[in-house]
Amino acid sequence: SQKIEQNSEALNIQEGKTATLTCNYTNYSPAYLQWYRQDPGRGPVFLLLIRENEKEKRKERLKVTFDTTLKQSLFHITASQPADSATYLCALEKNSGYALNFGKGTSLLVTP
Amino acid sequence: ETGVTQTPRHLVMGMTNKKSLKCEQHLGHNAMYWYKQSAKKPLELMFVYSLEERVENNSVPSRFSPECPNSSHLFLHLHTLQPEDSALYLCASSQDRDSADTQYFGPGTRLTVL
Repeated sequence: SQKIEQNSEALNIQEGKTATLTCNYTNYSPAYLQWYRQDPGRGPVFLLLIRENEKEKRKERLKVTFDTTLKQSLFHITASQPADSATYLCALEKNSGYALNFGKGTSLLVTP
Repeated sequence: ETGVTQTPRHLVMGMTNKKSLKCEQHLGHNAMYWYKQSAKKPLELMFVYSLEERVENNSVPSRFSPECPNSSHLFLHLHTLQPEDSALYLCASSQDRDSADTQYFGPGTRLTVL
């Protein structure tokens, strides 16, 4: 069955450093991969989408890579700020071709 | 009002009650979704509607009954729930049901079943 794995442990980093979050998947051949941010008690908010033929995508301080050989995506936040503290979710298309399966998410805490 | 709204934001109900969750999207989207989010678990897709037609039902117990009267509104009718159904219920919409479409989520309804 399709499986998505994200770092289960919270990631604590100091303000100004680069945060790197990992998303690994098995039994998928996704054409797209999405990253979302979720704050406590709120719904997820879309951040970035990367396609299988794109190695890297950037948006302001965010960078996503997508390695279909390793079946892995890395999500980077450069010059991190305390306001970046949240849970970050990786999502892949279901085998049905529509709708998404989400990973459990990785909690990021950026301390001043 | 813009985006995706959900009411109520919080709901406490007994196992014998019947209640409904409401979702409304103001984005002109054609697809709407219900997700369940429990602690320490990933988002679980429950139902998908595309142009008011249910296109996916993810083995959800019959005590959860969705309704999509039009492309802007989605309901989740609840009856005889169990305590393990306590969770955050999230509604989302997207332009179409293509997995490449960004999903826009509502704030969720925090449900507690006593």
